[in-house]
Amino acid sequence: DIVMTQSPLSPPVTPGEPASISCRSSQSLLASNGYNYLDWYLQKPGQSPQLLIYLASSRASGVPDRFSGSGSGTDFTLKISRVEAEDVGVYYCMQNVQFPYTFGQGTKLEIK
Amino acid sequence: DVHLVESGGDLVQPGRSLRLSCTGSGFTFGDHAMTWVRQAPGKGLEWVGLIRHKAYGGTTEYAASVRGRFTFSRDDSRNIAYLQMNSVKIEDTALYYCARGLQEEGRGYWFDPWGPGTLVTVSS
Repeated sequence: DIVMTQSPLSPPVTPGEPASISCRSSQSLLASNGYNYLDWYLQKPGQSPQLLIYLASSRASGVPDRFSGSGSGTDFTLKISRVEAEDVGVYYCMQNVQFPYTFGQGTKLEIK
Repeated sequence: DVHLVESGGDLVQPGRSLRLSCTGSGFTFGDHAMTWVRQAPGKGLEWVGLIRHKAYGGTTEYAASVRGRFTFSRDDSRNIAYLQMNSVKIEDTALYYCARGLQEEGRGYWFDPWGPGTLVTVSS
């Protein structure tokens, strides 16, 4: 199975400041079609997870453009250009290049 | 508006069975794979498996932790996906989410939206 490792708990971020979360996979997520099969989900407190980014860098419908995804192969990053209070929650990366799909352990974002 | 809702969660004894349902609305249910993801209390997300849509044979994939005990099925005429849980274990205790699978380039699925989840508690 592919192991997904996320950066540990992030220090509290000041609203308006940038934030980034890293995700590393134990195997390459780059498929033969040139796409990286890596998604980012956000689980806000008390809510279900919601899709933010798919194919490593494509923003899901309705996701603010302050969220961006980058990376290829085994190293990926989710960036928030200017953190807002509503961005608090736990961020998960998930690989979907091969079964079984696997999630990272989650990274909690807190706001100062 | 695309909407999913799970049901069927309950308190069940180890070794017994339980069936969860996931009802969709606001989209053509039969055109999409459906996945199940669970979250044990205070823990992260664990992918349980998925069932592809009929155009892809309605085939299934399972996590190793549930393979042979859990079975996915679907009734597209009623917009419902099912998760049959047999021989449940204490470690199956979790909030179970279903989500719609989306796909491009004929490969991996990403999941959007997710339902609110249904709680399964396995205890004697």
